[in-house]
Amino acid sequence: SQKIEQNSEALNIQEGKTATLTCNYTNYSPAYLQWYRQDPGRGPVFLLLIRENEKEKRKERLKVTFDTTLKQSLFHITASQPADSATYLCAPGYSSASKIIFGSGTRLSIRP
Amino acid sequence: NAGVTQTPKFQVLKTGQSMTLQCAQDMNHEYMSWYRQDPGMGLRLIHYSVGAGITDQGEVPNGYNVSRSTTEDFPLRLLSAAPSQTSVYFCASSYGIYPQLTGKDPGGYTFGSGTRLTVV
Repeated sequence: SQKIEQNSEALNIQEGKTATLTCNYTNYSPAYLQWYRQDPGRGPVFLLLIRENEKEKRKERLKVTFDTTLKQSLFHITASQPADSATYLCAPGYSSASKIIFGSGTRLSIRP
Repeated sequence: NAGVTQTPKFQVLKTGQSMTLQCAQDMNHEYMSWYRQDPGMGLRLIHYSVGAGITDQGEVPNGYNVSRSTTEDFPLRLLSAAPSQTSVYFCASSYGIYPQLTGKDPGGYTFGSGTRLTVV
């Protein structure tokens, strides 16, 4: 079965630095990959989607890369701020499947 | 435009009781799903639906039933509540994660605010 792996340990970053989160998947290559942000006590919020034929996607201070050879997506937050502190989830999507399975998420803390 | 509305926000049940968690969306999304999230764990898919009248099981379907009689509503029924079902439940919808069926680019999910369920 497909596995989705995100860093289970929290990531602590100094404000202003670039935070990089990793999402690895096994077996089948997804047709696209989504990234979400989740704050405590709230539902996840969709951030970005990158397709398999896209190497990189940007939105403001966010950048996502997708390497089908490494079976990995990287999520970058540049010029990080304490307000970026949250849990970030990745979710691969497959053209042959109609359900989305989420990774367990990585908790990011930005210290002032 | 309310998005995805879940009710109730909080619920306490006794073991063996049944109840229905409500989920409604007003975005005309074809795809809806239910997830549960336990402390320190990610989202686990319970059931999902690709359109009215069509439902399917996710990763952890046991003890739950769903139906999809309209595009807008996707209720989740707990048949006989157990303490292991204590969790936060999220409903989510999307206009299409399956381009071959919908003809649309896959879109991100819109999540509800969740129902916190405790079974004692």
